[in-house]
Amino acid sequence: EVQLVESGGGLVQPGGSLRLSCVASGFTFSTYAMSWVRQAPGKGLEWVSTLSNDGGDTYYADSVKGRFTISRDNSKNTLYLQMNSLRAEDTAVYYCAKDDGSGSFFTNWGQGTLVTVSS
Amino acid sequence: QLVLTQSPSASASLGASVKLTCTLSSGHSNYAIAWHQLQPEKGPRYLMMLSSDGSHSKGDGIPDRFSGATSGAERYLTISSLQSEDEADYYCQAWDTGIRVFGGGTKLTVL
Repeated sequence: EVQLVESGGGLVQPGGSLRLSCVASGFTFSTYAMSWVRQAPGKGLEWVSTLSNDGGDTYYADSVKGRFTISRDNSKNTLYLQMNSLRAEDTAVYYCAKDDGSGSFFTNWGQGTLVTVSS
Repeated sequence: QLVLTQSPSASASLGASVKLTCTLSSGHSNYAIAWHQLQPEKGPRYLMMLSSDGSHSKGDGIPDRFSGATSGAERYLTISSLQSEDEADYYCQAWDTGIRVFGGGTKLTVL
């Protein structure tokens, strides 16, 4: 059974940094692209970033480009999201998601971790 | 620019059927999409991938009550024999080179 478990969320001041982690199990992690998706309070789902299976290709939404960095450690089956220069509008539940084999859509999701940016 | 449009809300009675619509932007009518369900206090759940020819592949454990169909630029999700646990937000999702895009979501109320 595929499991994705996020951690690292919390309260951070504007301008601060936070690193999210997502530990994966139940599939060959190194074979699949992985993504982060967020949902701000009262809003819809927003794609944040995607990383190819080997870490060679990264993609970011314009809203986070230059501030967030996605990475992975295939030896630890773990996906990361380094978030810098955080803003109030980054407040959201952040979900880790496993891509399908062709890197098109999400076939499995984690339960999410809440990030709150506030002074 | 790839944009997905969904109605903000829908409602139907317990045991009835409901059809949700996702419309692809001009120039993207041949794109496949995926449907996802977001229940309150739970993580999202992948329902199915739906191609431009109407073929679809469901996620693990998704009941037969959930089906998909296509007409032109529109992608549909039909839920039959509605149950209370179907009350949730439903999102369509598409992809293009390097990016993923979500529709605004439809909040389904089961009456």
